Amino acid sequence: GQSLEQPSEVTAVEGAIVQINCTYQTSGFYGLSWYQQHDGGAPTFLSYNALDGLEETGRFSSFLSRSDSYGYLLLQELQMKDSASYFCAVNSGGYQKVTFGTGTKLQVIP
Amino acid sequence: DAGVTQSPTHLIKTRGQQVTLRCSPKSGHDTVSWYQQALGQGPQFIFQYYEEEERQRGNFPDRFSGHQFPNYSSELNVNALLLGDSALYLCASSLWVDNEQFFGPGTRLTVL
Repeated sequence: GQSLEQPSEVTAVEGAIVQINCTYQTSGFYGLSWYQQHDGGAPTFLSYNALDGLEETGRFSSFLSRSDSYGYLLLQELQMKDSASYFCAVNSGGYQKVTFGTGTKLQVIP
Repeated sequence: DAGVTQSPTHLIKTRGQQVTLRCSPKSGHDTVSWYQQALGQGPQFIFQYYEEEERQRGNFPDRFSGHQFPNYSSELNVNALLLGDSALYLCASSLWVDNEQFFGPGTRLTVL
């Protein structure tokens, strides 16, 4: 089966940088996605990595190492609105079968 | 351009009953996936529909079934409801060839 591990909670200061790590165990790996979910809201897509390396989208970057079964989400210039839960998710088995981690609750403090 | 819509927003049922949840995908999308999200947990993949067929299925019993219509909208049916089925049910749409999923606001199901 698939399993993903990420920290349950992270606290960071406004304006700072935070990294949320994700390790996974799966078969038939296709790629790693990241989603953001505010309390009471729906998940929103942030990024997808199929190949090793860093993908940058504005203040958010995502990294993947397939050999280490590891990825991370990097959030720069943190804003209060970044306080949310962040989920890593793997596409595995069937290409479109997505397994989510348990999520990391990020709290941004002034 | 409307995003993903789901109905109803909230639903209360009793054990043993059956429920149908509905989802309309984002315009232009052809693939619909359904997820169950318990409080404080990540979404759990139930199944996915493309071209009116179930293409992928997660570890959910046969009490969970679905359907996709020619206009790409979809339904999730749950029979013989259990207390443990209480959760937020999320629908996500995408293009079959794409990884980016767009989620609807969800249906909050409470089973008493």
